[in-house]
Amino acid sequence: AIRMTQSPSSLFTVIGDRVTITCRASQVIRTSLAWYQHKPGKGPELLIYDASTLQNGVPSRFSGSGSGTEFTLTIDSLHSEDFATYFCQQYYEFPTTFGQGTRLEIK
Amino acid sequence: QVTLRESGPALVKPTQTLTLTCTFSGFSFTIPGMCVSWIRQSQGKALEWLGLIDWKSEEHLRPSLGTRVTISRDTSKQQVVLRMTNMDPADTGTYFCVRSFAVGISCYASSFDSWGQGALVTVSS
Repeated sequence: AIRMTQSPSSLFTVIGDRVTITCRASQVIRTSLAWYQHKPGKGPELLIYDASTLQNGVPSRFSGSGSGTEFTLTIDSLHSEDFATYFCQQYYEFPTTFGQGTRLEIK
Repeated sequence: QVTLRESGPALVKPTQTLTLTCTFSGFSFTIPGMCVSWIRQSQGKALEWLGLIDWKSEEHLRPSLGTRVTISRDTSKQQVVLRMTNMDPADTGTYFCVRSFAVGISCYASSFDSWGQGALVTVSS
């Protein structure tokens, strides 16, 4: 199975900061990558699919980029509601696999 | 509005069979391309896709689980059922019911656009 490695695993940051999270795939996955936000007690929410397409209703401060094996999720001007765990998913090869997650915490 | 809700036992004993039910609304399996998966998250581990059932009622399962997992659906009740046999403490975690749309004829090559809030299952004697 394709291994997805996220970095960092946790990040202490402040409201207003620009945050970048990286996801690396163990083999080429083209742009078959999604990003999710997960808050405790709730189901994850899809933010971005196909590496850079914003899901309907997701604020424009979220953006994704990358192709091949390296991908980034960027949050411009962090809001208080953005403190959560973020994880990536590849759907290029069966079975789909996920990164371990990056936890954003308030500094 | 699409909603999915998982229900089932919070505690099962080792070797028992887990049965979880996903009750959904806002969509239907009569729509070609509709897929519902089960995904779990164990403590400290990445999310793990377990399997799915599609609009053709075909079941696709994670190979590493062998014959432990079955997924079925009841269209009239708008439910999808996960059964996992021979439960082990390593199966402890939160189980999510998740929707996706097939790309072409395949449910595999897509992201998941709607998730339930998850059901925490503990396996312990």
